[in-house]
Amino acid sequence: ILNVEQSPQSLHVQEGDSTNFTCSFPSSNFYALHWYRWETAKSPEALFVMTLNGDEKKKGRISATLNTKEGYSYLYIKGSQPEDSATYLCAFPRQAGTALIFGKGTTLSVSS
Amino acid sequence: DTAVSQTPKYLVTQMGNDKSIKCEQNLGHDTMYWYKQDSKKFLKIMFSYNNKELIINETVPNRFSPKSPDKAHLNLHINSLELGDSAVYFCASSQEMRGTEAFFGQGTRLTVV
Repeated sequence: ILNVEQSPQSLHVQEGDSTNFTCSFPSSNFYALHWYRWETAKSPEALFVMTLNGDEKKKGRISATLNTKEGYSYLYIKGSQPEDSATYLCAFPRQAGTALIFGKGTTLSVSS
Repeated sequence: DTAVSQTPKYLVTQMGNDKSIKCEQNLGHDTMYWYKQDSKKFLKIMFSYNNKELIINETVPNRFSPKSPDKAHLNLHINSLELGDSAVYFCASSQEMRGTEAFFGQGTRLTVV
């Protein structure tokens, strides 16, 4: 069984702070690495899907990097806003085309 | 249009009952999943179907049975409900390619009393 580990488990920052989270995953048989944003009382929504070593993706103030050789990905949020408060999940498909195995997430709380 | 829709959104039922949760996706995806969100908000895969065929069946009690009448639907039937089955169940779908994201339904909160 593959394990996806995320850290920290939770994080509290002030509005305007920049922050980052870590996702580590098995580096063998890599297929893809997904990041999802999960707001309370809603369903998870995809932020990024990365497939190549060295991938960097960006969406507004949020960006992610990928290192498949060492098995980690970072998610960065620049200038955090209260609306960024959510749980950020990373996920790893067990095999190509199969279900995503999710980490336990990093819960971000941004105070104004 | 809702991409992945689940019904009902809330389900309260007594122990021992049999219930179903329905899921439909209009994205043309060929793979559908059921996830269970545990008490710590952790998403655990239960089942995965690809083109109506069961691909993944995690360690889930036999009381849980998925049914996929066609590619757009994956229903979850639960027999003899137990208190421990209370959770939020999420349906999701994706296209069978490694670089494609999963789309989730809004979840069904099942409460067994």
